[in-house]
Amino acid sequence: GAVVSQHPSWVICKSGTSVKIECRSLDFQATTMFWYRQFPKQSLMLMATSNEGSKATYEQGVEKDKFLINHASLTLSTLTVTSAHPEDSSFYICSALDRSRNQPQHFGDGTRLSIL
Amino acid sequence: QQQVKQSPQSLIVQKGGISIINCAYENTAFDYFPWYQQFPGKGPALLIAIRPDVSEKKEGRFTISFNKSAKQFSLHIMDSQPGDSATYFCAADGGSQGNLIFGKGTKLSVKP
Repeated sequence: GAVVSQHPSWVICKSGTSVKIECRSLDFQATTMFWYRQFPKQSLMLMATSNEGSKATYEQGVEKDKFLINHASLTLSTLTVTSAHPEDSSFYICSALDRSRNQPQHFGDGTRLSIL
Repeated sequence: QQQVKQSPQSLIVQKGGISIINCAYENTAFDYFPWYQQFPGKGPALLIAIRPDVSEKKEGRFTISFNKSAKQFSLHIMDSQPGDSATYFCAADGGSQGNLIFGKGTKLSVKP
């Protein structure tokens, strides 16, 4: 089945640093990738949608200068949390979709981000 | 109109029993309804999905029942096992971007 790899799975860093999270589709071309944020015991909240080669579309309330998304290739999207602060600590999950094949979204295993 | 309402919030079932989780939506433009299973510390995994042109879909112990007129759909887990203990999310898709609208999740605990 389709596999989406997300890296790193867990990161701890100091307040003020920037953190990059990678999302790769391993066996299909992801025309669209999604980034979600999930707080403990809550549902997934869509942060942004990115189509390969174009700028990401951010959901209302998500700071695009804070959460930089790059989708430069059909198999890789990155989310960079810039100048991270403790309130940015969360579980970040990506998903990937190949529109041409009418297949469902496939999710990565998430990245737990802890900002000290 | 973009909401998907899911119930119950939590569910405890004895091993071998039937687990039932319900979802309701308002937007009739939604045309794809997946269910995801999520274990702690992991991303959601697609369990089963249905489109509104059928009323039921079964895959192994998992069945989706879909009521288009009532705008409701449900997940039935037959012969529930302790390994089924996880959080289940229903979702709906119908936007041009392929965005999924998730329910709030149901934490299922299957007791041995």
